[in-house]
Amino acid sequence: QSALTQPASVSGSPGQSITISCTGTSSDVGAYNFVSWYQQHPGKAPKLMIYEVSNRPSGVSNRFSGSKSGNTASLTISGLQAEDEADYYCSSYTSSSTRVFGGGTKLTVL
Amino acid sequence: EVQLLESGGGLVQPGESLRVSCAASGFSFSSYAMSWVRQAPGKGLEWVSTISGSGGSTNYADSVRGRFTISRDNSKNTLYVRLNSLRAEDTAVYYCARPFYHDNSGYYWWGQGTLVTVSS
Repeated sequence: QSALTQPASVSGSPGQSITISCTGTSSDVGAYNFVSWYQQHPGKAPKLMIYEVSNRPSGVSNRFSGSKSGNTASLTISGLQAEDEADYYCSSYTSSSTRVFGGGTKLTVL
Repeated sequence: EVQLLESGGGLVQPGESLRVSCAASGFSFSSYAMSWVRQAPGKGLEWVSTISGSGGSTNYADSVRGRFTISRDNSKNTLYVRLNSLRAEDTAVYYCARPFYHDNSGYYWWGQGTLVTVSS
């Protein structure tokens, strides 16, 4: 059960777009469309931003979008805003009927 | 309104045991698989365990299998995890989480977390 691989940090200026990658294997990300993304601000519980690769729960801004190609999923945030500064985690269901998270990516809005 | 409220965290010594609970309300508890996710101080999220709605199926992370036991009491709308043979590396905030609409649709609802500290 190795963690999914995410960049440790990404940054962007307000108004710009950034993309966070999440690389797994053919036993997790590549095998199922059960990839989800979470936003976590310091001291808070995680918030679901994207589920099933590309679906947004109601209330989540359409500036957030998800996609997948092969064993790599991606979260794109367009029109960066100061409030987007947070930690982001991807997660996937696995062929062992377990779940696995990525190591997390710290987004800094410059 | 869906609410999840964890309790039972605290300071324990290495090798000791602890039971953490999660009281659920605002939804049909037995209709949903439930999970535990933990986060060590300053670290990332780690999936710990999931139990089916009926309680008949459970899954564990390799790091806790054989030491932790997930269970639920659907008559009390409560989720549990029994933490045995605790190690320093089990120190974390333990969250219970409910999926959005099916088992693998992502965790939409989270509790506030309960801190378990393992230290001598």
